Amino acid sequence: SAVISQKPSRDICQRGTSLTIQCQVDSQVTMMFWYRQQPGQSLTLIATANQGSEATYESGFVIDKFPISRPNLTFSTLTVSNMSPEDSSIYLCSVQGFQETQYFGPGTRLLVL
Amino acid sequence: GNSVTQMEGPVTLSEEAFLTINCTYTATGYPSLFWYVQYPGEGLQLLLKATKADDKGSNKGFEATYRKETTSFHLEKGSVQVSDSAVYFCALSVFNDYKLSFGAGTTVTVRA
Repeated sequence: SAVISQKPSRDICQRGTSLTIQCQVDSQVTMMFWYRQQPGQSLTLIATANQGSEATYESGFVIDKFPISRPNLTFSTLTVSNMSPEDSSIYLCSVQGFQETQYFGPGTRLLVL
Repeated sequence: GNSVTQMEGPVTLSEEAFLTINCTYTATGYPSLFWYVQYPGEGLQLLLKATKADDKGSNKGFEATYRKETTSFHLEKGSVQVSDSAVYFCALSVFNDYKLSFGAGTTVTVRA
């Protein structure tokens, strides 16, 4: 399985600001994913990020609010733009492994005041 | 579409008790099935998986069997420990779709 790190691990932000979350993998992977986990809830897929192409967003998520970069096969960023308290969540990246298995990073815990 | 229905929690147990968390699924095609665990303050860890009918996944004393006839993948552990306190998620993925569909999660608390 891949080793995945995320930065920052947590942050407290003011409404109206933006935060960029980084996801680094220790091996080259084709598919990376970004999820949101609202307090006490399950995971919701935000988008799929493939290297060399635009991210594919799920229903209810838009690029202006959650721009994603995927500059190479080991790195991706997710930006949460113009934040409101409703954006307070855990944001997790994951990578696609063998037999449809996804491996997750430790998550970024975001609190918006 | 694909969906996972998971036993509602929270579940509170005493140490050495038997744990079962029910999970049933609906899927187009033949899914791979997963159990993930989220310990307090951490991300998700893959606990076990099964990729075809009648496969049994096992890890850390946990087991789950892929039952196609009942579309189920129930998680079991014979003797839980305090360190098993976590949120457990059942999930599925269909070949070539790559997306994981998650259940709602079950919070398990084990008391000493």
